[in-house]
Amino acid sequence: NAGVTQTPKFQVLKTGQSMTLQCAQDMNHEYMSWYRQDPGMGLRLIHYSVGAGITDQGEVPNGYNVSRSTTEDFPLRLLSAAPSQTSVYFCASPGQYLQPQHFGDGTRLSIL
Amino acid sequence: AQTVTQSQPEMSVQEAETVTLSCTYDTSESNYYLFWYKQPPSRQMILVIRQEAYKQQNATENRFSVNFQKAAKSFSLKISDSQLGDTAMYFCAFMNNNDMRFGAGTRLTVKP
Repeated sequence: NAGVTQTPKFQVLKTGQSMTLQCAQDMNHEYMSWYRQDPGMGLRLIHYSVGAGITDQGEVPNGYNVSRSTTEDFPLRLLSAAPSQTSVYFCASPGQYLQPQHFGDGTRLSIL
Repeated sequence: AQTVTQSQPEMSVQEAETVTLSCTYDTSESNYYLFWYKQPPSRQMILVIRQEAYKQQNATENRFSVNFQKAAKSFSLKISDSQLGDTAMYFCAFMNNNDMRFGAGTRLTVKP
């Protein structure tokens, strides 16, 4: 997907481990967001940011931490991974308010 | 909180025929945006069509069109002349301010 890059694409963790999912965009967008996708539940908003230094909680923020030190990057941190966080994670950036959301390719995260 | 409901977990259609996917939502807001996204097996999230709630005219995008009924809080997607490449998960989404909510999705299979 043009403009939004997520890494890694796949990751397996053990319960209690920590990790950071990376998201970067080169479109100079102010707004960035993280979603998780679980079977039968669509995508749910975890955290979002409306600009550098500004973050806010979405629908399912517990267990996740974010920061936005630059316009380009919006990492998602799992401080102590739990099996319930096994999911596919998407980073997205919509640009102008009325413009389509650009999604990254997703990260499949499994926690054992 | 806003909710989005897609009542059809799975649907199928013959190639070249027309299919309609249903979506209803619940909100007390008057200004918002509605979207349909396509997710093929590649896992990419692709914007299909969007509708601004203040516009009465239904959005169209080539073979894709919507039937937006604001009073009924209904936002269905019609796919005309279905193609094999339309096989995918389809998600309806609602956006107000910075809060975006997705439905659980409809799996569409286009049969040759």
